[in-house]
Amino acid sequence: EIVLTQSPGTLSLSPGERATLSCRASRSVSSTYLAWYQQKPGQAPRLLIYGASSRATGIPDRFSGSGSGTDFTLTISRLEPEDFAVYYCQQYGSSPLTFGGGTKVEIK
Amino acid sequence: EVQLVESGGGLVQPGGSLRLSCAASGFTFSSYWMHWVRQAPGKGLVWVSRINSDGSIISYVDSVKGRFTISRDNAKNTLYLQMNSLRAEDTALYYCARGGTWEYWGQGTLVTVSS
Repeated sequence: EIVLTQSPGTLSLSPGERATLSCRASRSVSSTYLAWYQQKPGQAPRLLIYGASSRATGIPDRFSGSGSGTDFTLTISRLEPEDFAVYYCQQYGSSPLTFGGGTKVEIK
Repeated sequence: EVQLVESGGGLVQPGGSLRLSCAASGFTFSSYWMHWVRQAPGKGLVWVSRINSDGSIISYVDSVKGRFTISRDNAKNTLYLQMNSLRAEDTALYYCARGGTWEYWGQGTLVTVSS
């Protein structure tokens, strides 16, 4: 099983600041099968990034994904008020599919 | 418009059974892998099971193997999850999601296992 470790657990930032979220895999993940999601309370996860770096439909360009192998990053260039949420990475190339434990981005 | 609508959740005693359904619309259901993902209250996302487009390839997370069965009816555009021998730790919101880019998720159905 590929374990995904997200860091930090919580990120306290102000609107307008840059957020950098990390997802580290216990063994190599094909970039094709690495995704990032945003989840707000009471809502289903929303796909932000697939294939490690491709933005999903309708996702603003302040969200970007990068990385390969075992290290992946989600960057939010300038936080908007609606961006404060929990973010998860996921690998779906190897069974069992796995999610990271999440990073909460909260308002400082 | 792609829609995934889960149903079938509820309160069940430990050892009991439930069958979840996920009704799909707005896309060619028979062309996609489908998945179940769960989220315990206040916790993270856990992938549960997947099934390929014609139902011939299935896999599960270890914690549900032998207790849960995923299936699909492409004529009815519906995905199922039969859950038997339920445990307290199965309590969660269960989502269905469309495979491929994983862009589409339902809103979830809540399963509570408690006496």
